[in-house]
Amino acid sequence: QQQVKQSPQSLIVQKGGISIINCAYENTAFDYFPWYQQFPGKGPALLIAIRPDVSEKKEGRFTISFNKSAKQFSLHIMDSQPGDSATYFCAASGGSNYKLTFGKGTLLTVNP
Amino acid sequence: GAGVSQSPSNKVTEKGKDVELRCDPISGHTALYWYRQSLGQGLEFLIYFQGNSAPDKSGLPSDRFSAERTGGSVSTLTIQRTQQEDSAVYLCASSQQISGTDTQYFGPGTRLTVL
Repeated sequence: QQQVKQSPQSLIVQKGGISIINCAYENTAFDYFPWYQQFPGKGPALLIAIRPDVSEKKEGRFTISFNKSAKQFSLHIMDSQPGDSATYFCAASGGSNYKLTFGKGTLLTVNP
Repeated sequence: GAGVSQSPSNKVTEKGKDVELRCDPISGHTALYWYRQSLGQGLEFLIYFQGNSAPDKSGLPSDRFSAERTGGSVSTLTIQRTQQEDSAVYLCASSQQISGTDTQYFGPGTRLTVL
């Protein structure tokens, strides 16, 4: 059972455009929703995270939108740059041990 | 400061051999996690340590997989009698484990190839 579904699998955006990646979850016990960015040959690194008590969080060009009733959250990258080209993973956790359940990832390519 | 380190960075082994993968977490981090990243499967949780104990081993795929953590620091993931389906990148992460929003910091991973 895939508890976090992520789409699209891959995304190509022109420089300066908006990149949007969507995730949906099933487990209502989840209460922490981070996004990780991974470059080839590196481990994932936290990009931005949100708790369900807010509907939106913005850090620089990166924004998370959260819809608790729909059990969906999304990452928006404004003014996308070639340096943003990477694989993005949404994740969720809840309960006492904070293990992360990941989506399958989105390969983002930003063309110059 | 130093991040999470893992060794070896790459490991090629023959089917049926045992392998040990090592993780050095960030100093002072009490929580340690192992994940597996397979092509097309994303990242899958394997096991979680709080200090030296492992309250959640639910992600270990079979009894060929085991892990230990000594001194509340270094952890070793052991795979016995490796199979080709074990080929993946094994990632370790650590966190301060003070609250549910603590960031998990990942190491660069060990790429395991089973021939």
